[in-house]
Amino acid sequence: QKEVEQDPGPLSVPEGAIVSLNCTYSNSAFQYFMWYRQYSRKGPELLMYTYSSGNKEDGRFTAQVDKSSKYISLFIRDSQPSDSATYLCAILTGGGNKLTFGTGTQLKVEL
Amino acid sequence: EAQVTQNPRYLITVTGKKLTVTCSQNMNHEYMSWYRQDPGLGLRQIYYSMNVEVTDKGDVPEGYKVSRKEKRNFPLILESPSPNQTSLYFCASSLSRLGGYTFGSGTRLTVV
Repeated sequence: QKEVEQDPGPLSVPEGAIVSLNCTYSNSAFQYFMWYRQYSRKGPELLMYTYSSGNKEDGRFTAQVDKSSKYISLFIRDSQPSDSATYLCAILTGGGNKLTFGTGTQLKVEL
Repeated sequence: EAQVTQNPRYLITVTGKKLTVTCSQNMNHEYMSWYRQDPGLGLRQIYYSMNVEVTDKGDVPEGYKVSRKEKRNFPLILESPSPNQTSLYFCASSLSRLGGYTFGSGTRLTVV
């Protein structure tokens, strides 16, 4: 079983929609969760960083961690064409020495 | 501007010809890592470094070497590249073990 699993998409939504991106993970001991955004031909860019369970909000973005289900989510409100990118969930593993990534979900927000 | 700089951005080489991909960060970060990104496999860690002269293997270290002689630099060395090392490579750095990582813009390597 993979440590982190993510639906690859692609996901296409109209401008203004609420987007939900999700990952599941295997080890209940994981505590540090991140979401990265990667535009084409660019490096991943850190969007959200959460510790343990609960929600964290930053502008139009909300990260949610449900440790009981081993499920992490990223919600994007009022999605814009500039949000079109690949979104990667990542978890700190290996005693904090590495990020284990999902394979990424490709999102397209259409006008 | 705070950043991680990788060079070159693109590289085509032949099997067996030694090459080095450079990585430099200007944020005084302790932790640095190299990842490779492949379709369907995502990003996988090759090597990481916790500080100067302290490095360790990640998930896919075979065929790679690294060094950390200075805090800001973390080069990736392929002594004898093979076609299965054709990939997109990213260097990343973090202030601390539990910090978020800043990634470079990537190096697309093709080995023929």
